[in-house]
Amino acid sequence: ETGVTQTPRHLVMGMTNKKSLKCEQHLGHNAMYWYKQSAKKPLELMFVYSLEERVENNSVPSRFSPECPNSSHLFLHLHTLQPEDSALYLCASSHQYRGLRTEAFFGQGTRLTVV
Amino acid sequence: GENVEQHPSTLSVQEGDSAVIKCTYSDSASNYFPWYKQELGKGPQLIIDIRSNVGEKKDQRIAVTLNKTAKHFSLHITETQPEDSAVYFCAAAANAGGTSYGKLTFGQGTILTVHP
Repeated sequence: ETGVTQTPRHLVMGMTNKKSLKCEQHLGHNAMYWYKQSAKKPLELMFVYSLEERVENNSVPSRFSPECPNSSHLFLHLHTLQPEDSALYLCASSHQYRGLRTEAFFGQGTRLTVV
Repeated sequence: GENVEQHPSTLSVQEGDSAVIKCTYSDSASNYFPWYKQELGKGPQLIIDIRSNVGEKKDQRIAVTLNKTAKHFSLHITETQPEDSAVYFCAAAANAGGTSYGKLTFGQGTILTVHP
């Protein structure tokens, strides 16, 4: 266990559904991240949340909506997804200060399938 | 921005053999190069990293080499074991100092299979 917990582990949803992914970290970190992992592609950073910043990747479609109510919890709200959004969604956390981060610890991911 | 290329995409070796995975990067400002191992059903985990003030670093059966002039770095696994089978990712970042570094750019990943 890395101290970063993601739920659910697997999710199948229709294109008209609304669902949320949850991430929780117990490492005392102040920054959390959402990554998308698709087959044969590099890990893609989607969002960064820290005390200093909320960074939204402009290439991420608005059907993905992040929420970070506190430094220990991170959500990714999903609505009207497309089949090409099927992927492994990974959450990570680290310390971040003035834009620099320490080693990131990853959760086990949520395997999302959009049908 | 940074671009990291990783090869090969798949690698199959016999138990006991060595495995080498190579990465190239484009941004000369990058000075931190970690390697991650991702086992089935798990998230990536840092296994070794190197900073630009050294050319090689070893940790038991794992070693990483860095050639800043050529902008490439490699992961070497000796005496491979079946439990080494996983997906391995390289990454690069700039502004490394102490235990901190800037944004990570990942390679595409290498699926390593070690046959008993």
